[in-house]
Amino acid sequence: QSVLTQPPSASGTPGQRVTISCSGSSSNIERNYVHWYQQFPGTAPKLLIYNSDQRPSGVPDRFSGSKSGTSASLAISGLQSEDEADYYCAAWDDTLNGHMVFGGGTKLTVL
Amino acid sequence: QLQLQESGPGLVKPSETLSLTCSVSGGSISSSGYYWGWIRQTPGKGLEWMGIIYYSGRTYHNPSLKSRISMSVDTSKNQFSLKVDSVTAADTAVYYCARHTEYEVWSDPWGQGALVTVSS
Repeated sequence: QSVLTQPPSASGTPGQRVTISCSGSSSNIERNYVHWYQQFPGTAPKLLIYNSDQRPSGVPDRFSGSKSGTSASLAISGLQSEDEADYYCAAWDDTLNGHMVFGGGTKLTVL
Repeated sequence: QLQLQESGPGLVKPSETLSLTCSVSGGSISSSGYYWGWIRQTPGKGLEWMGIIYYSGRTYHNPSLKSRISMSVDTSKNQFSLKVDSVTAADTAVYYCARHTEYEVWSDPWGQGALVTVSS
């Protein structure tokens, strides 16, 4: 099991708004930034959101991130077919000398 | 722009040591403010963070892997490396190298990944 908990799947129709949750604990999400990665089949993950709510240049503003307490969310508005991918959350965990932890990933399907 | 490229054997026998190298181009591995690390993904599964290393040699490891992995940096070649001891079939995965920011620890960019299969 992953330290961070994500729903295994999510879906939406084009134009809809979809959110993906990421649940953690006081040793990771509550104390540290959350980062989100997008991965298409057969390719390396790509940074989508960093520092909980910041978008790297080139990432559409349809993607947004938020964090509250021990949970974080990724929201995708105006869903497009090309958003169909796997999404992973990650955060630093302060236990055991510190290490990064990932969520199990959410497969987003655009219906 | 910064690019990372993994290299190493694609097939390793059980109980042997897996060795991978990540070559960095378009920037210096000795830049302050960045760690260099490894993340793997088993077939059809999620991402597992393995560890990071600073150019000075300071490291952080995944506690579940710490006893089996070691990392090193070669600043003269602008490369960093990973070794995983006593591999089993469970270590079969795509191994990615990636740059990590020092404090917030987000990973960007990533290498394209290298598939390593553990099999006799």
